Amino acid sequence: DAKTTQPPSMDCAEGRAANLPCNHSTISGNEYVYWYRQIHSQGPQYIIHGLKNNETNEMASLIITEDRKSSTLILPHATLRDTAVYYCIVNAGGTSYGKLTFGQGTILTVHP
Amino acid sequence: NAGVTQTPKFQVLKTGQSMTLQCAQDMNHEYMSWYRQDPGMGLRLIHYSVGAGITDQGEVPNGYNVSRSTTEDFPLRLLSAAPSQTSVYFCASRPPVGTEAFFGQGTRLTVV
Repeated sequence: DAKTTQPPSMDCAEGRAANLPCNHSTISGNEYVYWYRQIHSQGPQYIIHGLKNNETNEMASLIITEDRKSSTLILPHATLRDTAVYYCIVNAGGTSYGKLTFGQGTILTVHP
Repeated sequence: NAGVTQTPKFQVLKTGQSMTLQCAQDMNHEYMSWYRQDPGMGLRLIHYSVGAGITDQGEVPNGYNVSRSTTEDFPLRLLSAAPSQTSVYFCASRPPVGTEAFFGQGTRLTVV
């Protein structure tokens, strides 16, 4: 799986949008971009994924650049409960489907 | 529907002891995996399985054994515990079609 690069930490004011960037310049054509988060050392929680189109669900939006070398996770109205470590993961599926490679992630702190 | 259940939640072992960390899922997922997370680090893959009777090594397999006799269960065995195995262990499962991996709440292991 391609490697990802994320900033180690970010801050966001409560109620504002949190935009978390991720670089994956070596991504292959069949690799998806996944986002997970981990709150207080609990088990990671799936947020969203995408291949090349922008995606939105009830938790977040995912914007993938046209060349697919980077993406941004958007939490539209961050709350204190969104304070967590956010992981950007690239995974191809197939034989690697069961293997998610976690990097260091981004520690997002939402403050009042 | 309990999801992914890990037992025990906490465990203290003496160096050289053996034990088995249990992981069970009730979602009929084919893919299961074990990760460890050391303080301040991301998750690292230990072993994974793509179905009953099929297992393979991940990034950090040394000192651990796994087997997959049923779809539901994926136990992780520590053969001879070492202080370097002090960590939080997460089990995950994922369907063959679909995208979201489900994680257990973790087992916090201390080896003294």
